Formats: sequence, structure tokens, C-alpha cells
Amino acid sequence: AAGVIQSPRHLIKEKRETATLKCYPIPRHDTVYWYQQGPGQDPQFLISFYEKMQSDKGSIPDRFSAQQFSDYHSELNMSSLELGDSALYFCASSLGVPDTQYFGPGTRLTVL
Amino acid sequence: AQTVTQSQPEMSVQEAETVTLSCTYDTSESDYYLFWYKQPPSRQMILVIRQEAYKQQNATENRFSVNFQKAAKSFSLKISDSQLGDAAMYFCAYRSGEDDKIIFGKGTRLHILP
Repeated sequence: AAGVIQSPRHLIKEKRETATLKCYPIPRHDTVYWYQQGPGQDPQFLISFYEKMQSDKGSIPDRFSAQQFSDYHSELNMSSLELGDSALYFCASSLGVPDTQYFGPGTRLTVL
Repeated sequence: AQTVTQSQPEMSVQEAETVTLSCTYDTSESDYYLFWYKQPPSRQMILVIRQEAYKQQNATENRFSVNFQKAAKSFSLKISDSQLGDAAMYFCAYRSGEDDKIIFGKGTRLHILP
């Protein structure tokens, strides 16, 4: 079965640079979620989109923005990167909000 | 605010034995969902089992089952016939029926001893 696709899988950036993470949900899923998992931490919810509209917002820094496109894929844009942004970024998708969230493999971002 | 607590940072079990991972949560809501996710060394987050709060029957998925005690706000995971591939970090998680976000516990790292 098709799963959530995230690209790139690994990304290395310098401080103050920008990064764009992409997420392709499971076919027919209309809701995407972004989570950040720091080293040794549990995942923290950042933001979600349902039918291309922002649905819920968590602890997402103002330096980050995200959107969902007409084909339901989503992009997380991160600017003015800081060392503390180094983490594993998960995208998850579901068919509507009450449905189970299925996670992608994650993008490992390293900020040097 | 809702919280999820996993009091066992690490556990070990002999291969083929049974192990139970504990989880408690706190919420004032009546509509919610509970999950166990597994994160192996690959760091992939894999759904193990899901429980709707309105269902009294405990969820079961093959060797994995839960003991859902709603009044006690307890949601433990039992793994039967443990296998080497079960070695992973296990996260207990909560989602309100009104919110998108999943709230995770701190995790329990499970070691399987051959």
C-alpha cells in the first residue's frame, strides 16, 4: 500500500539559511499534519491542513510557514534556521480529521 | 490541558515472553482517541493500535492488545510472544475528538533479549 512520502530524507543547512520540506500524503487523504521530533524527544505537533486550509496550529515558530496545495501535497518552509531546529520532521496524513494519522518516514534536518 | 504519561523509560523482555507497557493520561473530554505508536531504530513512526474512547471493548491487533480503563484513565499495551523485531521506542498518544494534534508521551524503550 502507498504510504506518505517525504522529501528530502536528509537535509543539512547552515544557520540563518532556509529550508523547504515536502510531504506527499497517501492517495485520497485530504489532511496533512507536521510534527517536529528533537533528539531524544517525543514528537511535537506543528500545524495541520484540511482541504488546503489551515486546520490547527501548535507550537510552530513564526519563522516557519506551511501550506497545502491543490494536489494535497504540503510544504513546510523554514527560514532563519537555528541550531535548535535540528530535528526529525514528520508529515502525517489522514482521510479527514477523525481518521488515524499515518506517518511518513521523516526528514532529518541538521543545522550547522 | 491533556497530558500523557509513560512511567517506564525502558523495559526488557525475553524473546517469546509477554510484556506490558503502561500509560496514563489526563483529560476532561469525553470524546477522544488513544494510540500506541512504535518507533524502531529507523525512526519511522508506525501505528500499532488505536482505541476509541466510546468503545468499551479493548482493541486487539494480532500479538498486540490494550487494557483500556477509562475511569482510571489508563491505557496499557500488552505484547504477547515478543519478537526481536518488536524492539523499539513505544509512544502512547492521545488525540481529542475536536483537535487535530496528537499528544505523545515521552516513550518507553523496549529491549528484546534473545
